[in-house]
Amino acid sequence: DVKVTQSSRYLVKRTGEKVFLECVQDMDHENMFWYRQDPGLGLRLIYFSYDVKMKEKGDIPEGYSVSREKKERFSLILESASTNQTSMYLCASSSLEETQYFGPGTRLLVL
Amino acid sequence: AQTVTQSQPEMSVQEAETVTLSCTYDTSENNYYLFWYKQPPSRQMILVIRQEAYKQQNATENRFSVNFQKAAKSFSLKISDSQLGDTAMYFCAFTGGADGLTFGKGTHLIIQP
Repeated sequence: DVKVTQSSRYLVKRTGEKVFLECVQDMDHENMFWYRQDPGLGLRLIYFSYDVKMKEKGDIPEGYSVSREKKERFSLILESASTNQTSMYLCASSSLEETQYFGPGTRLLVL
Repeated sequence: AQTVTQSQPEMSVQEAETVTLSCTYDTSENNYYLFWYKQPPSRQMILVIRQEAYKQQNATENRFSVNFQKAAKSFSLKISDSQLGDTAMYFCAFTGGADGLTFGKGTHLIIQP
């Protein structure tokens, strides 16, 4: 079974803090993705990566950055957290053009 | 840019009934992939079914099947013999390949006992 894990299920941070969300997959997938999910808006793509040290902007990259130093790990960084970044964050991975498999999500609250 | 539209925000059916969830999409691409994902209250996104656009045959997975109409850009999900465990948010999603998924806003399906 594909396993995608995320470092935290719930996270509470203060405005202005730097926040790291970590995602690890164990299937040697080339592609990794970060989405955020908000009620009424569905899931929106923030960033994705198709190789180590490579990154591509998704639909809503503003306020976020990413890091992929190893194939199995893809980090989402909020340089200075704001209240409008309170959301559910979902990581996914896939092999080339195959199905994306999702982690359990991190629910982030920025106060 | 691709768009995915799910026109039914919420649906409710009785256990054992058959239910169909609608999805339409817009794209100029010829080769692409379509998915239905299920998100139960646990929030874990689970793949239900996948369809490659170049395949004319509709995908099926046990009680789940799709009606893929490429010319109409329609991709509906049929759930037969619905069960209480099918209660969840269902998302239709599109991708052109190695890039990210474009999701619809979801349909909240409730199976009543």
